[in-house]
Amino acid sequence: QSALTQPASVSGFPGQSVSITCTGTSNDVGGYNLVSWYRQHPGQAPRLIIFEDTKRPSEFFNRFSGSKSGNTAFLTIFGLQAEDEADYYCSSYAGSDTFIFGGGTKVSVL
Amino acid sequence: QVQLVQSGADVKKPGASVTVSCKASGYTFTTYFLHWVRQAPVQGLEWMGSISPSGGAATYAQKFQGRVTITRDTSTSTVYMELSGLRSEDTALYYCVRDGVAAPARRYFEHWGQGSQVTVSS
Repeated sequence: QSALTQPASVSGFPGQSVSITCTGTSNDVGGYNLVSWYRQHPGQAPRLIIFEDTKRPSEFFNRFSGSKSGNTAFLTIFGLQAEDEADYYCSSYAGSDTFIFGGGTKVSVL
Repeated sequence: QVQLVQSGADVKKPGASVTVSCKASGYTFTTYFLHWVRQAPVQGLEWMGSISPSGGAATYAQKFQGRVTITRDTSTSTVYMELSGLRSEDTALYYCVRDGVAAPARRYFEHWGQGSQVTVSS
């Protein structure tokens, strides 16, 4: 089972919006409403920022938005801030009680 | 609050086995699935498997079938991940992660342990 496909990197200026794509198949991303997104700063464990395609775990992440179209999920970061510079990973339920991650996207704040 | 405290770093020789432990606290242990996710150096995240803390049934990623065993001890609220036949590519940081939804559902990875470094070297 191949990893979900994410761009290696995206960048933007402070205050701008950036989007990250996460492409899978009808057996994972497109087959369930169970895409989640994680942010990971260097040397730290990943942190959940979006679950079940569109839901935020707390208002702390109200600048983040999740959406999906077919087999591709999207994470949009509004009002980019310096603290958003990190690696971002998508994950999806893949059936038969298994999960799969994307390869990760490095977000740079210019 | 939810805490997942993992065992310390370990160094193993190729072909050996390693066991990583994860002690959970701050919630009812038997209520949520626990997963193992690993991250090789400068690499992405990789789901290895998960376990039902109540019944003990485990599910594994196809890549690790036959090499990984996940178990739990409800008396100590501890989950274990054993990986056998170690090779250099298994050098990674291994995370214990609690699901965000009560069992029997498995949905997403909400609470993460601090990670346990496993190094495979001759």
